[in-house]
Amino acid sequence: KNQVEQSPQSLIILEGKNCTLQCNYTVSPFSNLRWYKQDTGRGPVSLTIMTFSENTKSNGRYTATLDADTKQSSLHITASQLSDSASYICVVSATGGSYIPTFGRGTSLIVHP
Amino acid sequence: DAGITQSPRHKVTETGTPVTLRCHQTENHRYMYWYRQDPGHGLRLIHYSYGVKDTDKGEVSDGYSVSRSKTEDFLLTLESATSSQTSVYFCATRGQGSDSPLHFGNGTRLTVT
Repeated sequence: KNQVEQSPQSLIILEGKNCTLQCNYTVSPFSNLRWYKQDTGRGPVSLTIMTFSENTKSNGRYTATLDADTKQSSLHITASQLSDSASYICVVSATGGSYIPTFGRGTSLIVHP
Repeated sequence: DAGITQSPRHKVTETGTPVTLRCHQTENHRYMYWYRQDPGHGLRLIHYSYGVKDTDKGEVSDGYSVSRSKTEDFLLTLESATSSQTSVYFCATRGQGSDSPLHFGNGTRLTVT
């Protein structure tokens, strides 16, 4: 069964600090992994996509990594801001025509001033 | 953005009454999804559609039905609402290709009393 596990479940940091969120998956055959950001009261929005051949990708202060061998991904947030407070969801898609991605339960990040 | 509109945004209804939630998209995306989001569970797939009149069940489909008579509209019906269906419901769409992102609406908060 395809599964995506995220850790930690929740995280509280001070503004300006860095943090790293983790995602482990067992989706096969692997196509891609996306990180989504969900602000309170809104739908999730895609931050970045990682494919099999990519190790690292940055989007502003967000940097995603992928280790396809160990089936792990991380999302690193640099110099956090209050607006980074949100839920971050890891979503993995398989190849072979499947259009049903597998969702992690998300990490809730709170950034305090 | 994919131009996804969910209606209503909020609804309170009584146990045993039928409820229909609407999702409307303007991007002509082929795939449409209904998810529910509950604390501790993340986003769980209720039903999805891969074309007009082509729908299938997700992991939590009991008590729900869907219809898609036009590309742009995907309806979710609770035939007889129960308190366990109190949740936030999200509609999502996706274009062709497993590397296409999911585009989400901003959700419908449903309370069944």
